[in-house]
Amino acid sequence: DTGVSQDPRHKITKRGQNVTFRCDPISEHNRLYWYRQTLGQGPEFLTYFQNEAQLEKSRLLSDRFSAERPKGSFSTLEIQRTEQGDSAMYLCASSGGRGSTGELFFGEGSRLTVL
Amino acid sequence: RKEVEQDPGPFNVPEGATVAFNCTYSNSASQSFFWYRQDCRKEPKLLMSVYSSGNEDGRFTAQLNRASQYISLLIRDSKLSDSATYLCVVAHSGAGSYQLTFGKGTKLSVIP
Repeated sequence: DTGVSQDPRHKITKRGQNVTFRCDPISEHNRLYWYRQTLGQGPEFLTYFQNEAQLEKSRLLSDRFSAERPKGSFSTLEIQRTEQGDSAMYLCASSGGRGSTGELFFGEGSRLTVL
Repeated sequence: RKEVEQDPGPFNVPEGATVAFNCTYSNSASQSFFWYRQDCRKEPKLLMSVYSSGNEDGRFTAQLNRASQYISLLIRDSKLSDSATYLCVVAHSGAGSYQLTFGKGTKLSVIP
């Protein structure tokens, strides 16, 4: 297993368009997280899945944002009607499995630029 | 009060110096604590967990004071390769979930 992978790595879109990001976690991990990070800030929690169940959503996650994790494997994060303020790095992380210490393993992120 | 607060720095220190970072957290029910390191334009990676009794990993020492809700990281004999942003992370669980909250990070530059 090569770790957490995210796709696409970079996305440039016009305001008002919809975008979707995909995350493939480490295969034995049952927890999957989405974070958003802007320049000079730490990662901000967006949402969390345990297997296929979405257990927590941040108030940052407006109704334009939706995340899914069908079958408890990969996850998608969709942003509808993008706004310039959505420009950020979207980080996916996974954890869990046998012997887990709670450490999060992050993907390299999907950088979104909204023009 | 923010959930996890850190001095953003930057800390500019010469090679070989000792530098300490502090972090405070607001949720007294927090259960686990970590320091993550993030290099420029890279993803965060775990540096070390922080245990109640304090713990050391080579040149790095982490301390936790639950009463004061305070975490620290000490780096001895700084190397150029230590230049990065150090993120304080606090975890709490409840109702079957496990959530990690990150501080804004403290930027360290080690200068030759």
